[in-house]
Amino acid sequence: KNQVEQSPQSLIILEGKNCTLQCNYTVSPFSNLRWYKQDTGRGPVSLTIMTFSENTKSNGRYTATLDADTKQSSLHITASQLSDSASYICVVSASRGSYIPTFGRGTSLIVHP
Amino acid sequence: DTGVSQNPRHKITKRGQNVTFRCDPISEHNRLYWYRQTLGQGPEFLTYFQNEAQLEKSRLLSDRFSAERPKGSFSTLEIQRTEQGDSAMYLCASSFSRAGKDTQYFGPGTRLTVL
Repeated sequence: KNQVEQSPQSLIILEGKNCTLQCNYTVSPFSNLRWYKQDTGRGPVSLTIMTFSENTKSNGRYTATLDADTKQSSLHITASQLSDSASYICVVSASRGSYIPTFGRGTSLIVHP
Repeated sequence: DTGVSQNPRHKITKRGQNVTFRCDPISEHNRLYWYRQTLGQGPEFLTYFQNEAQLEKSRLLSDRFSAERPKGSFSTLEIQRTEQGDSAMYLCASSFSRAGKDTQYFGPGTRLTVL
């Protein structure tokens, strides 16, 4: 069964600090992995997308890494800002079979001043 | 703003009533998805269209739920005889099929409250 597990479930950090969110998956055969940011009461917004051959992708202060061998990904946020407070969702798609991606439950990040 | 719009943004209804939500995807996107999301959870897949064809439906989609995408453009999701357990955020997403990368763009969602 395809699964995506995210950790930690929630995280509280001080403004200006860095943090790293984790994503482990069992989706196979792997096609791509995406990280989304979801503000409270809003739809998810794509941050990065990586295929099998890409092991790092940056989007401003967000850097995602992918290890397709261990089936792990991380999202690193540098110099956090109050606006980074949101849920971060890891989504993995398979390259065969269903077009429906597998969603993680998300990590809730709170950035305090 | 991702370019995907949903209406209404909020809907409050009484148990047993029918409700209909609308999603307008990005115009050139051929795939359209409906998801349901409850507090603290990731989105749960409901159904998926490629153009006007409904290709997959989740087991979560009971007989009270129906979705359409006439002419492969906008889509509607109808819930008949609503129950309190239907209260959730209903998200629509669209994408353009492209080998290896098929990023879904989500709308703002419709929050349903069933009293």
